[in-house]
Amino acid sequence: DAGVTQSPTHLIKTRGQQVTLRCSPKSGHDTVSWYQQALGQGPQFIFQYYEEEERQRGNFPDRFSGHQFPNYSSELNVNALLLGDSALYLCASSLWVSGNEQFFGPGTRLTVL
Amino acid sequence: AQRVTQPEKLLSVFKGAPVELKCNYSYSGSPELFWYVQYSRQRLQLLLRHISRESIKGFTADLNKGETSFHLKKPFAQEEDSAMYYCALSGSNDYKLSFGAGTTVTVRA
Repeated sequence: DAGVTQSPTHLIKTRGQQVTLRCSPKSGHDTVSWYQQALGQGPQFIFQYYEEEERQRGNFPDRFSGHQFPNYSSELNVNALLLGDSALYLCASSLWVSGNEQFFGPGTRLTVL
Repeated sequence: AQRVTQPEKLLSVFKGAPVELKCNYSYSGSPELFWYVQYSRQRLQLLLRHISRESIKGFTADLNKGETSFHLKKPFAQEEDSAMYYCALSGSNDYKLSFGAGTTVTVRA
């Protein structure tokens, strides 16, 4: 089991563009959470998906949206990119019934120029 | 609102010396507390959680509800303990994690 996988590894975009990041959860997991980690900060919760629905959302604008597919994989979409969206985006997977033990992926480094 | 504070950004200790990483939290309710670790060029991974009451790699952490703290301790630091450590909290009825800003630990020979 490769654990949580994310693609792409790195991404460079310009202001105003849109980006899609992808995540495959650890085998057997059904819940995916997304976090944004700015340089020198801890990860900040964006949202969480279970049963293809957004279950919880952090303090992020509507420009951030997501999706979960029937195979439990997930996408994070960010529209109208701002310079401040430059960060490491982490995906974490877990088993809904087990609660909060989350396993993290390696992250996608997004740079907005 | 839930908040996690790690007052030390950097911590440097000698090999064999004790190490303590501080974590304070604010949460109105019964939180679940975690320590995550990130070694160089590796992904963030769970080190321990307070409900399991385990000692992992020689580290322990006790939840002190009176002081709202969850400090991480190890009596004898090793060079392989050099890493970034994050304290995290989740609420009793939600699954999101709130992280502190992290503490970089360097263990010197």
